[in-house]
Amino acid sequence: AQKVTQAQTEISVVEKEDVTLDCVYETRDTTYYLFWYKQPPSGELVFLIRRNSFDEQNEISGRYSWNFQKSTSSFNFTITASQVVDSAVYFCALSEAIGGATNKLIFGTGTLLAVQP
Amino acid sequence: DGGITQSPKYLFRKEGQNVTLSCEQNLNHDAMYWYRQDPGQGLRLIYYSQIVNDFQKGDIAEGYSVSREKKESFPLTVTSAQKNPTAFYLCASGQGQKNQPQHFGDGTRLSIL
Repeated sequence: AQKVTQAQTEISVVEKEDVTLDCVYETRDTTYYLFWYKQPPSGELVFLIRRNSFDEQNEISGRYSWNFQKSTSSFNFTITASQVVDSAVYFCALSEAIGGATNKLIFGTGTLLAVQP
Repeated sequence: DGGITQSPKYLFRKEGQNVTLSCEQNLNHDAMYWYRQDPGQGLRLIYYSQIVNDFQKGDIAEGYSVSREKKESFPLTVTSAQKNPTAFYLCASGQGQKNQPQHFGDGTRLSIL
């Protein structure tokens, strides 16, 4: 079955610390796509990154970086020098085809990140 | 600005009442989705629609209904048959392809009076 596991329910760090959010997935597809979303207190989910299964290059965007490892079915997210504005719930998601050309997202349970000043 | 608009932001339902949550998008996306978010459970798919006048049940469709009369609009009705409707509801739209992200609205928080 398709599944996404985010084992860390809550993480609390002090500003400027680095923090890694873990994501482990299960899929029977040979080609698949993974996503990270941020949900600030306002509630909207903000798309952060997409990764396809055939590209294992790690990606960096400013203070954010993502480590995709097919061998361990993991897609971890690291925030370097965390800031208070990074406080949010972060979701990892796996895209699954559900009929025709349409996909649905299978979400992990999310990790609440609290960055203390 | 392009985006997804959900209304209202907060909604209260009385016993036996149906309520409708609005979702409008101006991103010209074909596919639209409704998700339910409960504490500690992530998001679960209620209904989705690939094109106008067509929609399909998701994983937790019981007690909900939808319509898709226009490309831009995908309202969700929470019926009295939904016995535990208190949750945060998120509408999303996308190009409908497996490699494309979905874009989300700000959500509607529904509570029981």
